[in-house]
Amino acid sequence: GAGVSQTPSNKVTEKGKYVELRCDPISGHTALYWYRQSLGQGPEFLIYFQGTGAADDSGLPNDRFFAVRPEGSVSTLKIQRTERGDSAVYLCASSPSSGYGYTFGSGTRLTVV
Amino acid sequence: AQSVTQPDIHITVSEGASLELRCNYSYGATPYLFWYVQSPGQGLQLLLKYFSGDTLVQGIKGFEAEFKRSQSSFNLRKPSVHWSDAAEYFCAVGGGRDDKIIFGKGTRLHILP
Repeated sequence: GAGVSQTPSNKVTEKGKYVELRCDPISGHTALYWYRQSLGQGPEFLIYFQGTGAADDSGLPNDRFFAVRPEGSVSTLKIQRTERGDSAVYLCASSPSSGYGYTFGSGTRLTVV
Repeated sequence: AQSVTQPDIHITVSEGASLELRCNYSYGATPYLFWYVQSPGQGLQLLLKYFSGDTLVQGIKGFEAEFKRSQSSFNLRKPSVHWSDAAEYFCAVGGGRDDKIIFGKGTRLHILP
């Protein structure tokens, strides 16, 4: 596609529920990144994929967070047993294999009530 | 470990005045450096990036930044700001092609008419 697409744009869920956030990167971009941005903060790195594999997942805060990219394109960030502290904007970015061209999507605003 | 410090949380300048936003980084090797802008309700947009070569980098919207290795700084400048420049600005550092990048906490720019 023309840009990085993230769905849904907004998600409200109850504490303890499971959520999935989707990212559709720019066509042909092999690198895909997930970030989380809390109010008044800069984006915080979560996980980075190169193709289908997670090249670096050091930013995932705990084992409730998991992400997949089974075919090397679309990625899903999964959060189990959501907590109010998980409320944030979740950003996805993609980059071409030939070098930096980090393009961000508009994000998914997750609110846990 | 990589880190970015943006010492100014808020900056206010008059329209038409010059601007400098400060950024200091910590990185063990040659850094890749970035400035992003985020307008209210908008996604992150890349203003400029430095990989190597000329330490003065030109970006979009009339912005420029200068890499100073001796000071571990990458300050953003604009000679004359416009009201539309009011936004949040993030400095970021990364380690190489397709590597994750780490963001600072941001500087919010306010423009006085």
